[in-house]
Amino acid sequence: NAGVTQTPKFQVLKTGQSMTLQCAQDMNHNSMYWYRQDPGMGLRLIYYSASEGTTDKGEVPNGYNVSRLNKREFSLRLESAAPSQTSVYFCASTELAGGHEQFFGPGTRLTVL
Amino acid sequence: GEDVEQSLFLSVREGDSSVINCTYTDSSSTYLYWYKQEPGAGLQLLTYIFSNMDMKQDQRLTVLLNKKDKHLSLRIADTQTGDSAIYFCAEHASGGSYIPTFGRGTSLIVHP
Repeated sequence: NAGVTQTPKFQVLKTGQSMTLQCAQDMNHNSMYWYRQDPGMGLRLIYYSASEGTTDKGEVPNGYNVSRLNKREFSLRLESAAPSQTSVYFCASTELAGGHEQFFGPGTRLTVL
Repeated sequence: GEDVEQSLFLSVREGDSSVINCTYTDSSSTYLYWYKQEPGAGLQLLTYIFSNMDMKQDQRLTVLLNKKDKHLSLRIADTQTGDSAIYFCAEHASGGSYIPTFGRGTSLIVHP
């Protein structure tokens, strides 16, 4: 099992460019999440999907959109990137019946110039 | 809303014990977790404790929970340089969507 995979690993964008961060999990989990991690700020939830077909805003959704493409895949889109979106982005998944452990991907390091 | 607080840094000497502390505000917290993040990687669950427990031990790791004071600690015995990482405390109350609340993380630095 690959667990949670994310692409790309690194990305540099110019202000105003758009991009989509991809996430996939092979553990048949129902719930998936997107977080951003900034120095000294810990993890902040951007969006989550409790189950296939549903998405909800987290703590910091502005400037982002998400798509739960199917049970495996959950993508995060930046329509018009801003320097404030420079961060490390983590995707995670969990299966409630399994004890609530969240499984995290390796992260995407995004720089917006 | 819920809040989870941790100190940002801890420095210890190799072979000593490390104690990382966490306080939380949600009295209905059911699950409390410790995650470890190594440099350049995602978070990985280290251990967890249910709110009806006071202590959990797993090899070099000891988790203590004081529900009255809403205080959680992680003790690492015989700390090694490989334990250098960021440690996140997290909590969740059962019911509703599963959205844990994370602390800001404690950077553990282990000196040889």
